[in-house]
Amino acid sequence: AQSVAQPEDQVNVAEGNPLTVKCTYSVSGNPYLFWYVQYPNRGLQFLLKYITGDNLVKGSYGFEAEFNKSQTSFHLKKPSALVSDSALYFCAVRPPYGQNFVFGPGTRLSVLP
Amino acid sequence: SAVISQKPSRDICQRGTSLTIQCQVDSQVTMMFWYRQQPGQSLTLIATANQGSEATYESGFVIDKFPISRPNLTFSTLTVSNMSPEDSSIYLCSARPLAGANNEQFFGPGTRLTVL
Repeated sequence: AQSVAQPEDQVNVAEGNPLTVKCTYSVSGNPYLFWYVQYPNRGLQFLLKYITGDNLVKGSYGFEAEFNKSQTSFHLKKPSALVSDSALYFCAVRPPYGQNFVFGPGTRLSVLP
Repeated sequence: SAVISQKPSRDICQRGTSLTIQCQVDSQVTMMFWYRQQPGQSLTLIATANQGSEATYESGFVIDKFPISRPNLTFSTLTVSNMSPEDSSIYLCSARPLAGANNEQFFGPGTRLTVL
């Protein structure tokens, strides 16, 4: 069965420190990988995606993610966290010939001033 | 990209009634989807809304409970029928402008439904 894991329900970091939100997946083939962010009372906003090529992809708001094929991981990172980054983050995976996303359970990020 | 709006943004409904949620996209899109997000949970796909034909439902969701329309390439509706408190959730409309699996998908702000 296809699945996406985000092993941490909650991540707390101090403002200005680097942050990492983890994602691992179990999907056949070479899937496409996405990160979304959800602010309170808002829909999901697209942050970045990995399709092919360089394992480090850069996205919106200073976020980046590193694809590791051997570890089937796609961790989201930011060098210096802002309080405004506090939100719910979802990793999503789509098989290469698939139509639908498989979403992770979400990780709540709290950036403390 | 695509900008998606939903109406209503929230509603409180009585058990046994039905609610229709509208989703409008600011441009023509190939694919539209409806998701449910229960409190503190991730997103679950209800169905793919197909333009001009019946929606494609995921396991555990049926047309009688969640009828969907998609009359054109920019608009869709989801009806939650014969509601019970277990239907209390956020319902999210989503659109993918281009069909390929490598393309991003955009989401509406959601409709927060509470069933009493």
